[in-house]
Amino acid sequence: TQLLEQSPQFLSIQEGENLTVYCNSSSVFSSLQWYRQEPGEGPVLLVTVVTGGEVKKLKRLTFQFGDARKDSSLHITAAQTGDTGLYLCAGADGSARQLTFGSGTQLTVLP
Amino acid sequence: GAVVSQHPSWVICKSGTSVKIECRSLDFQATTMFWYRQFPKQSLMLMATSNEGSKATYEQGVEKDKFLINHASLTLSTLTVTSAHPEDSSFYICSARDRWDNEQFFGPGTRLTVL
Repeated sequence: TQLLEQSPQFLSIQEGENLTVYCNSSSVFSSLQWYRQEPGEGPVLLVTVVTGGEVKKLKRLTFQFGDARKDSSLHITAAQTGDTGLYLCAGADGSARQLTFGSGTQLTVLP
Repeated sequence: GAVVSQHPSWVICKSGTSVKIECRSLDFQATTMFWYRQFPKQSLMLMATSNEGSKATYEQGVEKDKFLINHASLTLSTLTVTSAHPEDSSFYICSARDRWDNEQFFGPGTRLTVL
């Protein structure tokens, strides 16, 4: 069973601060995705990273895929209250293309 | 863009009854759909993989006789929670994988409360 550990599990910061969320595994994934989920809704895809060492930017969000494709990070610059939500990483295996979800990081950005 | 719907969005039922949840891909065909379960403040846990025209594949620890899955068409999969009990109360989310490009799209979820 492939496991994805996210850290921190909970994060509460002030608006304007920067933060980084980590997603680590002992397994190699063909691709890794980051989602954001709000209460009572399904997860919304933010980004997919495929290549080891890849860095993708989405406005204030920077995503990085580890060289060995076992870990990833999400960095948010100048957090806003609208960034509040549950952030989930999910790794895809090459064959069945099932997603294995990380343990999740609950982010709260305070005004 | 690709849209996945779930119906109902929430349901409250009595213990012992059965509840059916539908997952539809509205503008694409999905040979594979996935059913997840999520408890408050926790991540998504894969319950089963639903394949069009064949039996679903269940994850370890998920009772196939309790969580019946039917994927009769390329746009619809259903999850029936049979003889529901309060411990089955949870947020159930489906996702559908586009048959042509393998991209996966998530539904909005169904909140099940068993009294």
